[in-house]
Amino acid sequence: GEDVEQSLFLSVREGDSSVINCTYTDSSSTYLYWYKQEPGAGLQLLTYIFSNMDMKQDQRLTVLLNKKDKHLSLRIADTQTGDSAIYFCAERNYGGATNKLIFGTGTLLAVQP
Amino acid sequence: DTGVSQDPRHKITKRGQNVTFRCDPISEHNRLYWYRQTLGQGPEFLTYFQNEAQLEKSRLLSDRFSAERPKGSFSTLEIQRTEQGDSAMYLCASSSGGRPQETQYFGPGTRLLVL
Repeated sequence: GEDVEQSLFLSVREGDSSVINCTYTDSSSTYLYWYKQEPGAGLQLLTYIFSNMDMKQDQRLTVLLNKKDKHLSLRIADTQTGDSAIYFCAERNYGGATNKLIFGTGTLLAVQP
Repeated sequence: DTGVSQDPRHKITKRGQNVTFRCDPISEHNRLYWYRQTLGQGPEFLTYFQNEAQLEKSRLLSDRFSAERPKGSFSTLEIQRTEQGDSAMYLCASSSGGRPQETQYFGPGTRLLVL
């Protein structure tokens, strides 16, 4: 089945690390993406990882993938107020019949000054 | 700005009217996607084109919805006889097909309100 799940809300203090979690269900070769959406705006691609990788780091962002549990996390180091937004994880089956992205419901990150 | 653009950004219409949205993808991208996002939800796939060919349509795309990409560049999404349930953000994305990671880049969206 196709189901991507995320926790709904996360609140952190400025300067702390944020960890946003996601679980996915596709069992074949999969690309997993993190997008950021600010109020009233479209989606900004942050990073992606292929399902045969364990970790990917890009500046303040670290993606960890637990393939056994189909669990994905996005860690934001030194969280800033400008990081306040909704974060979506999405999966796309590679090599399958479809190229569509399947999104989670999003996690609202609130950064307290 | 060479990103994905969408027009209009906002549309208010009365139930029963027809509306049309336009998406201009990143110029070298051959794939174009439409998604719909309702309040508090993630985007849901509607349809996608490779060049001018419409290759996949979601079951969400009822008979009242039609999408075109006649010259393989910009695309239009038309909703006929709009209903209040059509109120949503309509997002367009484009990508360069042929790469395994195929990152989709999104436009700012068209927010539709059906009264």
